[in-house]
Amino acid sequence: SAVISQKPSRDICQRGTSLTIQCQVDSQVTMMFWYRQQPGQSLTLIATANQGSEATYESGFVIDKFPISRPNLTFSTLTVSNMSPEDSSIYLCSVDWGSGYTFGSGTRLTVV
Amino acid sequence: QKEVEQDPGPLSVPEGAIVSLNCTYSNSAFQYFMWYRQYSRKGPELLMYTYSSGNKEDGRFTAQVDKSSKYISLFIRDSQPSDSATYLCAMSQVYNNDMRFGAGTRLTVKP
Repeated sequence: SAVISQKPSRDICQRGTSLTIQCQVDSQVTMMFWYRQQPGQSLTLIATANQGSEATYESGFVIDKFPISRPNLTFSTLTVSNMSPEDSSIYLCSVDWGSGYTFGSGTRLTVV
Repeated sequence: QKEVEQDPGPLSVPEGAIVSLNCTYSNSAFQYFMWYRQYSRKGPELLMYTYSSGNKEDGRFTAQVDKSSKYISLFIRDSQPSDSATYLCAMSQVYNNDMRFGAGTRLTVKP
């Protein structure tokens, strides 16, 4: 399976600031996915990132709040902008590796 | 009603017990059913994958799908402390596309 390096693993941020999360995959993949995992809630897809095109956002998520970059087939970033305490969550990137999704280890974000 | 319902637990069992984890769903179009295991401070990892109804066994793990009842289960035999994790069910209409996840059940296996 693919190996995903995600960083930072955790951060504590002030409200109103932005945080960029990076994911590096050890193989070329067409699509990368960004999820949010809130305590006691289902994994929620934020957006799908294809190389060379704009990311596709799910209902309830907008580009101004969660801009995504996908400069090549092995790398993507998700920025959480103008953060509020409600953005405190775990953020995960993942790729479709044929036999299920492979996930990064997650970024635990706390906004104070 | 949520599309996928999963009891969050927590579930605590003694070592060696048989564990039963379950999810119900509302969308009859789901065809692909998966179980992911997530250790603390790690991302989910695929444990089992089943297409349509029936059983699938892999070592100590058995996945069951009952589409008529919209109910899926994961059984863990001879549970070990290393099985302590959160287990998430996931399902989709098309393989690996638009997956819907349950909230996860936290399992602790005590030595």
